[in-house]
Amino acid sequence: DAGITQSPRHKVTETGTPVTLRCHQTENHRYMYWYRQDPGHGLRLIHYSYGVKDTDKGEVSDGYSVSRSKTEDFLLTLESATSSQTSVYFCAISETVQGTEAFFGQGTRLTVV
Amino acid sequence: AQSVTQLDSQVPVFEEAPVELRCNYSSSVSVYLFWYVQYPNQGLQLLLKYLSGSTLVKGINGFEAEFNKSQTSFHLRKPSVHISDTAEYFCAVSLIRRKLTFGTGTRLQVTL
Repeated sequence: DAGITQSPRHKVTETGTPVTLRCHQTENHRYMYWYRQDPGHGLRLIHYSYGVKDTDKGEVSDGYSVSRSKTEDFLLTLESATSSQTSVYFCAISETVQGTEAFFGQGTRLTVV
Repeated sequence: AQSVTQLDSQVPVFEEAPVELRCNYSSSVSVYLFWYVQYPNQGLQLLLKYLSGSTLVKGINGFEAEFNKSQTSFHLRKPSVHISDTAEYFCAVSLIRRKLTFGTGTRLQVTL
């Protein structure tokens, strides 16, 4: 299995509080992604990174920010959590964008109450 | 823009029966195509991918998919399913130097 660790695996938080999810990889892959998974929507890309300090928005980036200060770590922050951000969040990594396999973490289940 | 449509949200099938999960994509340029599987409470795992060459692609666990450019389809098939194939299956597409776009998923439910 690819070395991807997401933390925490489960979290319950209150509306309006900041939340940070962490993705850590040991594969030295250049590309890292954050997706959210919701019933009926499949996986939707939130943000992705193509190198240290190089990030870009995905299709559902509003309310989220990311940071990548080291190759191995990609952080997703919800500045002020809302109930609509209750979801399962997946981190993924890939060596390149062009046609290579993306490896996924185990997911983080976030509940905003 | 690229998009992926999985026409069936759920597919019930009996064990040892054949199955086809449908996937259509829209893109004006060449794409790379993937099928991923997600078992309960787990992340996604690559089943197979089409980059170029033969339009029939074989993957893990006995699955295969056929790329049909004229119909812009990439349907997933297995001639005989097992209970352990019960999972959610996602079709995905990427353009050159672009990230993956996923379909909404098809839940395959295999029963005895």
